[in-house]
Amino acid sequence: GAVVSQHPSRVICKSGTSVKIECRSLDFQATTMFWYRQFPKKSLMLMATSNEGSKATYEQGVEKDKFLINHASLTLSTLTVTSAHPEDSSFYICSYSSGNNNEQFFGPGTRLTVL
Amino acid sequence: AQSVTQLGSHVSVSEGALVLLRCNYSSSVPPYLFWYVQYPNQGLQLLLKYTSAATLVKGINGFEAEFKKSETSFHLTKPSAHMSDAAEYFCAVSEAGSNYQLIWGAGTKLIIKP
Repeated sequence: GAVVSQHPSRVICKSGTSVKIECRSLDFQATTMFWYRQFPKKSLMLMATSNEGSKATYEQGVEKDKFLINHASLTLSTLTVTSAHPEDSSFYICSYSSGNNNEQFFGPGTRLTVL
Repeated sequence: AQSVTQLGSHVSVSEGALVLLRCNYSSSVPPYLFWYVQYPNQGLQLLLKYTSAATLVKGINGFEAEFKKSETSFHLTKPSAHMSDAAEYFCAVSEAGSNYQLIWGAGTKLIIKP
């Protein structure tokens, strides 16, 4: 399967600062990728879907100005949490779709803690 | 609309016992079905997938799942549980033409008793 990396794996920041999370596909090029948020002991919540070369499509209730997604290339996407607050603390996971039977390949996740 | 139901937020089995994690789905067209496993503080790893080929799908780590259209089910099984199987398991469904989105079940935490 495809290999997806995320950086950083953990980040602690002060309230009001912005945090950028990188998601890289290491061994294949994908046109579609996803950003998820996962609360403790909960399932994944899709935040947005992005197709390379176009703007991300955000799910209902997700603030696009707060969670900035840049699908820079077929192998790199970034999620920037702007003016982070403690309620933004969560586990953020990215994934790429190979387009093959809709299978998704997941990054290892980023644990964000906002103080 | 698609949906996924995983029966039981927690399942506890003894080491060596049969593992059965239940997943039922709804879909208006033939679906793609997936089981993913998540270990603590890690991303998700694909266990197995159904893509309209064989109804009995074998995955990694000795897991398998059977697609039963009449029951709209895709239950995950393993004949003999191992301590290393303790993790969270997610069932997901997708449809062709859905922009590759997956609809997720709530997850089942598998607990292995020594």
